[in-house]
Amino acid sequence: AQSVTQLDSQVPVFEEAPVELRCNYSSSVSVYLFWYVQYPNQGLQLLLKYLSGSTLVKGINGFEAEFNKSQTSFHLRKPSVHISDTAEYFCAVSDGHNNAGNMLTFGGGTRLMVKP
Amino acid sequence: SAVISQKPSRDICQRGTSLTIQCQVDSQVTMMFWYRQQPGQSLTLIATANQGSEATYESGFVIDKFPISRPNLTFSTLTVSNMSPEDSSIYLCSVELADSYEQYFGPGTRLTVT
Repeated sequence: AQSVTQLDSQVPVFEEAPVELRCNYSSSVSVYLFWYVQYPNQGLQLLLKYLSGSTLVKGINGFEAEFNKSQTSFHLRKPSVHISDTAEYFCAVSDGHNNAGNMLTFGGGTRLMVKP
Repeated sequence: SAVISQKPSRDICQRGTSLTIQCQVDSQVTMMFWYRQQPGQSLTLIATANQGSEATYESGFVIDKFPISRPNLTFSTLTVSNMSPEDSSIYLCSVELADSYEQYFGPGTRLTVT
């Protein structure tokens, strides 16, 4: 079974500064990787995904992530954050489909706190 | 994409009672999932609910405690039975569109058991 580790439970950062949220997963033959964002009192919204192809993936709201197979990492980055980026961010991994669908394993989450 | 609604959005219940949470999707989907998010924690998959078959439960979750119905391709319910304070969580449903590895999530149901 997959496991996902988000190394930082909280990341405080000033507005307009760059940010990186770290995610590592247990190795597998092939994986699909996702980043979700959860704003307060809301459900999860997909930021970006890696299925195959280019290891640099661009998502919504100016976020991007890089898949590094040798380091089993999928870190999320944004060059300049806004106050509105304050939220909980979840990394998730899947081995792909089985009879029960695309089973996602989530990391523990990272709370991004953007300060003015 | 898919638009998902859940009812109720939140509820406060007494221990020993049961609550049924509804999940409605704006399009037909095969795969639906139910997750639990305990306070300050990540998401844990409770079960997968596919139309036309019994729900598949993850380790630590049983049908007697979390019965699920999936009467059609746009609707599912999760019941939290015989509740205790430990069941206080956010319960989220999600769907996976055909030929996609993406899951779309509902807004969640915030349950408090007193």
